[in-house]
Amino acid sequence: QKEVEQDPGPLSVPEGAIVSLNCTYSNSAFQYFMWYRQYSRKGPELLMYTYSSGNKEDGRFTAQVDKSSKYISLFIRDSQPSDSATYLCAMSLMNSGYSTLTFGKGTMLLVSP
Amino acid sequence: EPEVTQTPSHQVTQMGQEVILRCVPISNHLYFYWYRQILGQKVEFLVSFYNNEISEKSEIFDDQFSVERPDGSNFTLKIRSTKLEDSAMYFCASKPGLDINTQYFGPGTRLTVL
Repeated sequence: QKEVEQDPGPLSVPEGAIVSLNCTYSNSAFQYFMWYRQYSRKGPELLMYTYSSGNKEDGRFTAQVDKSSKYISLFIRDSQPSDSATYLCAMSLMNSGYSTLTFGKGTMLLVSP
Repeated sequence: EPEVTQTPSHQVTQMGQEVILRCVPISNHLYFYWYRQILGQKVEFLVSFYNNEISEKSEIFDDQFSVERPDGSNFTLKIRSTKLEDSAMYFCASKPGLDINTQYFGPGTRLTVL
């Protein structure tokens, strides 16, 4: 079983739709969960960062972590064409200086005007 | 806003040649990383670096790879004898300190090995 699984998409939605992006993971030791946005041939850009279970909101973005189900989500409200990108979930084991990130493969989102 | 920068943006090399990829992390950051992303694949961890030494490395980071922080600003990844399968995007990342777990990525260097 892969450590972090993410549906590659593409996920196509009309402008203004609510988007739900998800990842599942197998290692229950993961504690820190991040969402990155990656435009084509660019570096990952940090969007959201959450610790353990719960919700976190930042503008149009809400990140949700359910550790009991090993499932994390990113919701985008009022999606815009500029949100079209690949969204990567990433997670790390512990809050240590060396903590490395394990990524999902990314979900490509296409928001049409 | 401070950014991680990487040079060159694209490097083309012949198989067997040495390449050095360069990164300038955000200035007050203490932890540095290299990741790679083969086209269409996941971003994969290569190595982490703290206090002038490697702190963790993946199985990908074999003897052909090395990292160095030659001065107070640059962080380099050297591939001694490139192979076709080294063709990928290489990303440098940095983070400020122990209690901050978020890493900030550079724009990447596209390495093409012919």
